Amino acid sequence: SAVISQKPSRDICQRGTSLTIQCQVDSQVTMMFWYRQQPGQSLTLIATANQGSEATYESGFVIDKFPISRPNLTFSTLTVSNMSPEDSSIYLCTGTDSGNTIYFGEGSWLTVV
Amino acid sequence: DAKTTQPPSMDCAEGRAANLPCNHSTISGNEYVYWYRQIHSQGPQYIIHGLKNNETNEMASLIITEDRKSSTLILPHATLRDTAVYYCIVQLKTSYDKVIFGPGTSLSVIP
Repeated sequence: SAVISQKPSRDICQRGTSLTIQCQVDSQVTMMFWYRQQPGQSLTLIATANQGSEATYESGFVIDKFPISRPNLTFSTLTVSNMSPEDSSIYLCTGTDSGNTIYFGEGSWLTVV
Repeated sequence: DAKTTQPPSMDCAEGRAANLPCNHSTISGNEYVYWYRQIHSQGPQYIIHGLKNNETNEMASLIITEDRKSSTLILPHATLRDTAVYYCIVQLKTSYDKVIFGPGTSLSVIP
């Protein structure tokens, strides 16, 4: 199984600023994804992090707001840009192994004030 | 859209079996059923998966109907620590495809 580490685990940010979340996997995974989970809600897929190329975004999410990088198989970053209180959420990084089991990080709890 | 439907919430008495249903009537022949759960304030964790045979591991059992249109996750002796949101999803086992989560079932284990 894979272990996924995210940082920061929690942060309080001022509106208008940007925050970059890092995700490190301890073993190679085939796919990496970023999800958002707003309070009391299920997980919403933001984008697929593609190694060495631009991420694939879901409807409602754009690169300017959520730029994503994945320079290698085990590392990815998500930036939440120009934050507003509506961006207050848990942001989860996931990795999928060759058997298609999904491993989750513990999430980055973001509060925008 | 998620390919599964689950009841939004369920209660279960501590020590009793918790049976969580999932409907996946449009499942294709090579899609697996996966279950995950999310305990409050934690990231989701994998529980079990199966294709068509029933599966059991140290956490739970998975019963899949013969037509594969529905399944049931069974926690044989629920404890208070099993209180969580349980997500049922279907996906190809070797797919590189994205996974869409539905709202899941919020299970409350009651003392």
